[in-house]
Amino acid sequence: GNSVTQMEGPVTLSEEAFLTINCTYTATGYPSLFWYVQYPGEGLQLLLKATKADDKGSNKGFEATYRKETTSFHLEKGSVQVSDSAVYFCALSVAGGSYIPTFGRGTSLIVHP
Amino acid sequence: EADIYQTPRYLVIGTGKKITLECSQTMGHDKMYWYQQDPGMELHLIHYSYGVNSTEKGDLSSESTVSRIRTEHFPLTLESARPSHTSQYLCASSVRASTNEKLFFGSGTQLSVL
Repeated sequence: GNSVTQMEGPVTLSEEAFLTINCTYTATGYPSLFWYVQYPGEGLQLLLKATKADDKGSNKGFEATYRKETTSFHLEKGSVQVSDSAVYFCALSVAGGSYIPTFGRGTSLIVHP
Repeated sequence: EADIYQTPRYLVIGTGKKITLECSQTMGHDKMYWYQQDPGMELHLIHYSYGVNSTEKGDLSSESTVSRIRTEHFPLTLESARPSHTSQYLCASSVRASTNEKLFFGSGTQLSVL
């Protein structure tokens, strides 16, 4: 089956620190990969995505590269801000069947001034 | 950006009550979903729909029901609420069934059953 594993949180950083949130996956087919972000009191929103191997998704200073050889899609940002404090979800979607996305458990990020 | 709306935003009710959580989207999306989000933030799919008159159960066994009479509307009903139903409920939609399609989420309904 399909599954997504994320590093456990919370991840606590000081402002301007470097961020990495690890995500690895297993999939029965060739997936598209996503990062969603959930700010406090809100629903999830798409942060970035990649649809094939070696693609790099990027948005708002965040980046993630689709690594087929290591089945990973790690989220990175060079310098985090307090406003980046949120919960981050890695997800995948595979062709065939119902196309229902599979989400990871979420990783909480707390950024201190 | 998202034109998907959930009401109410917060709901506190007593055990045994029947409740309906509303979800509407104005984007003309065919596919809609209901997720239950536990305190640890993990998402559990409870229902989804491919379009009008289509409803499917998700991964999480649920005592709720859904209907899809109109494209834009996908309400979730609990016939008899219990404290174990206390949770955040998120509605989402997507244009169509595709690996590349992103989901648009509403802001959620926080349900507390006393």
